[in-house]
Parts: sequence; structure tokens; C-alpha cells
Amino acid sequence: DQQVKQNSPSLSVQEGRISILNCDYTNSMFDYFLWYKKYPAEGPTFLISISSIKDKNEDGRFTVFLNKSAKHLSLHIVPSQPGDSAVYFCAASARAGGTSYGKLTFGQGTILTVHP
Amino acid sequence: DAGVIQSPRHEVTEMGQEVTLRCKPISGHDYLFWYRQTMMRGLELLIYFNNNVPIDDSGMPEDRFSAKMPNASFSTLKIQPSEPRDSAVYFCASSQRITGELFFGEGSRLTVL
Repeated sequence: DQQVKQNSPSLSVQEGRISILNCDYTNSMFDYFLWYKKYPAEGPTFLISISSIKDKNEDGRFTVFLNKSAKHLSLHIVPSQPGDSAVYFCAASARAGGTSYGKLTFGQGTILTVHP
Repeated sequence: DAGVIQSPRHEVTEMGQEVTLRCKPISGHDYLFWYRQTMMRGLELLIYFNNNVPIDDSGMPEDRFSAKMPNASFSTLKIQPSEPRDSAVYFCASSQRITGELFFGEGSRLTVL
């Protein structure tokens, strides 16, 4: 039972263009969402988050969009840079309670490759 | 500031042997998490502690797995006896709040032959 899904295993983008990474979730109790970036042989590092009371959060080149009705979120990277090449994980938790309270549930990850 | 420190970084062992993975969380963080990453299941939560007390171990796969946190600066994940299907990267993470940002260590890559 995969509650957080990243259906695209990989994405290839040209430097300077926009990268859009997608994530879907099924648990309606999830109300806090995060994106993590992971380089090989390193642990995941936090990138950006969004609460369910918002539909957009921006931090520099990174913007996360949340569509609660569709249970969908996306991460936009503009402009993409070769250093952005990494695995991106979507994660979700339920701050308001429920059996998933506080625990981060991760998607399978999307490998982003940004070509110079 | 030092991040989350895990040891060993790599462990190769034979089936049936005991494996102990270690973690030092970031000072001041009240929550400590153990995750496992495999190709098949991705990143899955095994157990987490709050103020050194195990809160939720529902992700621990079976009795062969155990975790302890004897003090605020140290935790262990033990597998006894180990099996080839335990081969994975094990991550430790800590945070200041249960729903806060998690800080991950670099992981311990375990290979059980």
C-alpha cells in the first residue's frame, strides 16, 4: 500500500529549462509535505516543504505546488542547473493526527538529470 | 555543527552474523528515526524515538531487528541473525519536532552474503 507515489522514475532536462517533479498521495490525513534531495552515497537533505493550508511555497529556484483536491503536489525547479542532478523524494506526514501522525512517508524517488 | 553521524558506512557480513549499526543524532534534537532504503520498498521508517523512548516500532520487519537509545546522543540498530534480504542502506535521522525537518546521516550500507 504505497501512500505516496512518484510515478516517474527519471526525468531528463536541459540546463536552464524548468524541471517538474510530480507526486501523488492517497492518505487524506496527510497535511504536510516535503521534498528531499539525495546525492549518491549521501543521506537525503531537506529542500522545501508545504502545509496543506497553502497551495504554493517558493524558495529561490524551487517552488512546490499543492493540489489538495487532486491529492497531487509538484516541485518546480527554474532554471535547472547541472548541480541539481540528484534523486528527489516526495514525503508526507499527518500533523493533525491519525495513524500516520508525524511519521514521514516517502515516495520512491525520481532521478533528475540536468544536461549542460 | 556536526550532522547526524552513522557508523559503519559499509558493512559486509555473512548470513547468521549479528550486525550493529550506530547513530549519533544532532545535539538538541528530541526525535531519532531509523529508516531503511531498498530498491523494492524505497525509504521506509523502521522505528522512531522521542526523548530516548521508542514511540513507534511498527515498521520493524521482524523480531530479528531491535533498536535502542540508551541516551540522547546514541542509538543502535541491531540485526540478529542477519539474512541476505536485510541488505540495504540504513539511515538514521534526527529532528527537533515530530513533524519537523529530518536531518539524515550518510547511511550505513549493509551487505549480507
